Amino acid sequence: DIQMTQSPSSLSASVGDRVTITCRASQSISRTLNWYQQKPGKAPKLLIYAASSLQSGVPSRFSGSGSGTDFTLTISTLHPEDSASYYCHQSYSTPYTFGQGTKLEI
Amino acid sequence: QLQLQESGPGLVKPSETLSLTCTVSGASISSSSYYWGWIRQPPGKGLEWIGNIFYSGSTHYNPSLKSRVTISVDTSKNQFSLKMSSVTAADTAVYYCARDFATTVTTLRYKWFDPWGQGTLVTVSS
Repeated sequence: DIQMTQSPSSLSASVGDRVTITCRASQSISRTLNWYQQKPGKAPKLLIYAASSLQSGVPSRFSGSGSGTDFTLTISTLHPEDSASYYCHQSYSTPYTFGQGTKLEI
Repeated sequence: QLQLQESGPGLVKPSETLSLTCTVSGASISSSSYYWGWIRQPPGKGLEWIGNIFYSGSTHYNPSLKSRVTISVDTSKNQFSLKMSSVTAADTAVYYCARDFATTVTTLRYKWFDPWGQGTLVTVSS
């Protein structure tokens, strides 16, 4: 199985800050990496697919980058509603696996 | 607009079989070239992929669960289902169904889950 390691596990930031979350794969996964946002009691919501493509309807302050084993999710200017958990997900091979999550508090 | 909705018992006894159904609306399971999947999340923990199914019945399972899991599809009802046998407390989780979207770009297959159902909590307890 491909292991996905996110960092940090949690972070606290302020409105207007720039935040970066990283995700590392245990082997190269090309650009088959997706990011999801999950708010308490809700289903995950797709933010970024194929490492850097912004899902329709997602604010442009979210961006993704990376290839191979190292990936980042960046929120350029934090809004209060960005308080959530964020998960990376590799779809290079089955079993699909997720990072352990990053809890962002604002 | 494509929507998915999970349904099934919220309480299952240990050693019994968990059964959930995902109803798809806004699109036909059999007219789309997508897989349809199940993902679970134990309370306070991360996400675990369970498996997926194509409308033809082709399936893929997580090896860690494969011996206990069966995913099936009913195209006449536009539904797909999950059965997990011999459950224990460790199977207590929110179970989500989702479309397993896929596209190919220059020979590489890209896949992601979108949209998701709202999720349903299944508790395993006597």
